[in-house]
Amino acid sequence: AQSVTQLGSHVSVSEGALVLLRCNYSSSVPPYLFWYVQYPNQGLQLLLKYTSAATLVKGINGFEAEFKKSETSFHLTKPSAHMSDAAEYFCAVSDSGNQFYFGTGTSLTVIP
Amino acid sequence: NAGVTQTPKFRVLKTGQSMTLLCAQDMNHEYMYWYRQDPGMGLRLIHYSVGEGTTAKGEVPDGYNVSRLKKQNFLLGLESAAPSQTSVYFCASSYVVGGAGNQPQHFGDGTRLSIL
Repeated sequence: AQSVTQLGSHVSVSEGALVLLRCNYSSSVPPYLFWYVQYPNQGLQLLLKYTSAATLVKGINGFEAEFKKSETSFHLTKPSAHMSDAAEYFCAVSDSGNQFYFGTGTSLTVIP
Repeated sequence: NAGVTQTPKFRVLKTGQSMTLLCAQDMNHEYMYWYRQDPGMGLRLIHYSVGEGTTAKGEVPDGYNVSRLKKQNFLLGLESAAPSQTSVYFCASSYVVGGAGNQPQHFGDGTRLSIL
């Protein structure tokens, strides 16, 4: 079975600082990996996805993530945090099956 | 373009009552999913469907039933609600392109359900 670990349930950064949200996965086969963002009282929205093309994936709102097979990681980064980035972020993994497995989420706070 | 629509958005039930949550998608997606979201636990899959007339159990199926009579609709039922089912429920749908799992899911805005 697949699993996802998100290190740090809460992350705080200053506005303009680097955002780094960590995600490690376990998968017995090459995975498909996703990052989603959830704003209060809303559903999840796709930020970016990795599906075995380029290992550095660019998403919306200036976010990007790098797939590192040797580290089984898919960390999410953004060079400069904006107040509007405050939200809950979820990493998810899927293999070629029918199910997706989500991490427990990381709440990002941006300090003005 | 409505995407994924969940009905109702909020509901309060008493223990033992039954109800059905409706999910409708207008993107002609094959796959549909029901999740529950609880604090500190992320999203956990309840049931899913890979096509009209098919359903399968996910990680936490007990106490829930589902039906997919039409491709665009996926219903989640609670036959006898329990306080442990207090949660936020999300429906999602996705394409299937050359195999499952490689397309992202599209989510509804959730149903907030409280069981007293």
